Formats: sequence, structure tokens, C-alpha cells
Amino acid sequence: NAGVTQTPKFRVLKTGQSMTLLCAQDMNHEYMYWYRQDPGMGLRLIHYSVGEGTTAKGEVPDGYNVSRLKKQNFLLGLESAAPSQTSVYFCASSPQRGPDSPLHFGNGTRLTVT
Amino acid sequence: GESVGLHLPTLSVQEGDNSIINCAYSNSASDYFIWYKQESGKGPQFIIDIRSNMDKRQGQRVTVLLNKTVKHLSLQIAATQPGDSAVYFCAETNNAGKSTFGDGTTLTVKP
Repeated sequence: NAGVTQTPKFRVLKTGQSMTLLCAQDMNHEYMYWYRQDPGMGLRLIHYSVGEGTTAKGEVPDGYNVSRLKKQNFLLGLESAAPSQTSVYFCASSPQRGPDSPLHFGNGTRLTVT
Repeated sequence: GESVGLHLPTLSVQEGDNSIINCAYSNSASDYFIWYKQESGKGPQFIIDIRSNMDKRQGQRVTVLLNKTVKHLSLQIAATQPGDSAVYFCAETNNAGKSTFGDGTTLTVKP
């Protein structure tokens, strides 16, 4: 099993450009999440999904949109990139949300916005 | 608000020694705690977890201790090996399913 796969691994954008990060999981998990990781700030939840066709806002949703058209895929979009969105982005999945359900993470996408 | 903090940002140990990584949390309603390991260039990986109704749980070479009185969590790694060098995060999950992550402690194992 591949687990959680993120593409691309690296990306450089100019301010104002748009892009989509793709996350795919092959574990048949219901829940999927997008986090960003910044030095000194831990992992912060951007958006999450409790199942196919559903999405919800996390702690830091502004400037991002998401879609979950298929259960195995969770897309994160940046419509107009800003330097403040320079970060490492992690996708995660879990069979349920809460106790006894640790997150399974991908290996991240390093995004630089110039 | 909720916050999870680790006592030390870095920890250096000799190969073969035991390591102890600490974490303080603020939300007394948290129901579930997890330790993750993150190697360079990779995503966090689950190590061990513990429910709030327990105070100790053991895995292979790892033990998690939970002290709810002082809201403190620790990860003990026995006979630390070079492959244990990584960043370690604690995370707490409340009964609504919201997870909060600490900043991480970088463990360096010296040969």
C-alpha cells in the first residue's frame, strides 16, 4: 500500500499565481485533512473532509479552497498565492475522527511563493 | 485556547542511552494523545498513543506516560539508536475530534 501520496513534492509560485495540490489515499479512509507546517507554529489545520463530497474549514482556511469529489482524493487549491502561504503542506487521512484514530500523513509539498 | 507545548526544542543523547521527550498540554478535556515522529523530508509518522483513562502505555522500545493532574505527557525511548534521530511531536485530540499539535522536539543521537 502506498498510503497517502502527495503531488507535487516541490513548487515555486509567483505572487498571484494559482495552483492545486493533490492528495490521494488508498486506505479507504473517510476523513482527510490538509495541514500546513511552519517553523515554531506546529501543524495547523487548513480544511478537512468527513467524507466524499463534504468539506469543512479548519483553523487557517483563508486563501485556500478544497474539494473531495472522490473518496480517495482531496485537493487543495490556492487561487491567488501570497508569500504568507510559503510553507510545507501535509495531507493526512484517518478512518474516523477522534480517539483511537491517528492520522496517516503524506510526505508533504514544499511551496515557495515569491 | 488550546495549546500543546514541548519543554525543550532540542535534545541530544548518546547512542544506547534512554531518551525522554516531554510535552505539556492545556486542555483538560482532551481525550486522546499521540506521539508522532517526523524524519527529515517526510511526513509525521504515528509512534504510540494513549487514552485519557490510562497513565502509561508501552510499545516496542517506547513508552508514553500521561499525568493528567499536571497535564503532562512524555515519550520515553529505550536504548536510543541513530535511526531515532528525528523531530517528535505530541498531539492532543478533544472529544470533538479536533487535534492540536505541539511544535516538536528535535532528537539527535550521537554515535
